[in-house]
Amino acid sequence: AQTVTQSQPEMSVQEAETVTLSCTYDTSENNYYLFWYKQPPSRQMILVIRQEAYKQQNATENRFSVNFQKAAKSFSLKISDSQLGDTAMYFCAFTFQGAQKLVFGQGTRLTINP
Amino acid sequence: GAVVSQHPSRVICKSGTSVKIECRSLDFQATTMFWYRQFPKQSLMLMATSNEGSKATYEQGVEKDKFLINHASLTLSTLTVTSAHPEDSSFYICRLWGGNYNEQFFGPGTRLTVL
Repeated sequence: AQTVTQSQPEMSVQEAETVTLSCTYDTSENNYYLFWYKQPPSRQMILVIRQEAYKQQNATENRFSVNFQKAAKSFSLKISDSQLGDTAMYFCAFTFQGAQKLVFGQGTRLTINP
Repeated sequence: GAVVSQHPSRVICKSGTSVKIECRSLDFQATTMFWYRQFPKQSLMLMATSNEGSKATYEQGVEKDKFLINHASLTLSTLTVTSAHPEDSSFYICRLWGGNYNEQFFGPGTRLTVL
């Protein structure tokens, strides 16, 4: 069975700082996809970034980047130059090739302080 | 991305009544729809998976007779909470999967409060 673990229930940083959210996963699959989703107070799930396991290059989307360590089964999210609007719950999620289900981590509540 | 709506966005009902929640896509044909429940400060918990025209597959511990799912078309799925009780109060989210590139989109969620 696939599992996703986020070991940081809450984090808090000052605006403009860089913050890294941790995520580890467990799977025996070879072809899979990893995601970071943001859930702001509106509760709408927003895709932040996506990584295909077969790609060695770490995904980047503007201020958001990941550190994908396949051997260690680690998938951390780095937010650079954090902004007040980044305050949200962040969920790490996993799915594998041919599957449709998403397995979510427990979430990390991130607060950006002015 | 696709435009996905859920109706109602918020509903308050009395204990014992039934509530229907719609998940609708305007511009995306979903092969599969998923329904999640999210309690405060917790992660999303998958309740059931449904394919158009087929019976839904429920996760362990989810009562199929209590949470009725109808996937009537590629753009519409409904979740009916029958004989709702206060412990059913939660945030319900749909997720759509499909399209030519196996895309996925979330609905904005429905907050259900049972008094």
